[in-house]
Amino acid sequence: AQTVTQSQPEMSVQEAETVTLSCTYDTSENNYYLFWYKQPPSRQMILVIRQEAYKQQNATENRFSVNFQKAAKSFSLKISDSQLGDTAMYFCALSDSGTYKYIFGTGTRLKVLA
Amino acid sequence: NAGVTQTPKFRVLKTGQSMTLLCAQDMNHEYMYWYRQDPGMGLRLIHYSVGEGTTAKGEVPDGYNVSRLKKQNFLLGLESAAPSQTSVYFCASSYLIDLRDGYTFGSGTRLTVV
Repeated sequence: AQTVTQSQPEMSVQEAETVTLSCTYDTSENNYYLFWYKQPPSRQMILVIRQEAYKQQNATENRFSVNFQKAAKSFSLKISDSQLGDTAMYFCALSDSGTYKYIFGTGTRLKVLA
Repeated sequence: NAGVTQTPKFRVLKTGQSMTLLCAQDMNHEYMYWYRQDPGMGLRLIHYSVGEGTTAKGEVPDGYNVSRLKKQNFLLGLESAAPSQTSVYFCASSYLIDLRDGYTFGSGTRLTVV
């Protein structure tokens, strides 16, 4: 069975600092996609970054980057120059190529402190 | 604006009452999903649809029914609400079955069953 584990229920970081959110997963598939979603207090789910499992290069989107370790089945999110607007719940998600759904982790609540 | 629209945004039900949550998308997406979000449990798939007239069960389908009579609409029904169905419900849609582009989420419905 596929699983996604986020072991940090809550984290905090000072504004302008860097923070890393952890995610580990398990799947028997070789082709899959990994995602980080942000859910601010507005409740809206926002796609932050995506990683294809067949790509070795780590994905980057502005201040957000991932450290994808396929052999270790690890997919961490690094937020650089943290901003107050980054305060949100962050979900890691796994989707196999050819399947119909995501498997979500339980989320990490991030608070950026002024 | 294009996207996924959920109605209502908030609802309080008494135990045993019924209701229908409506999800509408205007992106011509084939695939639609209903998730529930509970504290400490992430998002779990209730039902999904891979096209007009089709529906299938997800991880937690008990107590819910769905219909997809029109491609743009996906309805989630609770026939006899129970307090355990108190949750935030998200609808999502996608174009590609392997989800490489990610979901488009609605803004959620907060349902309280008393």
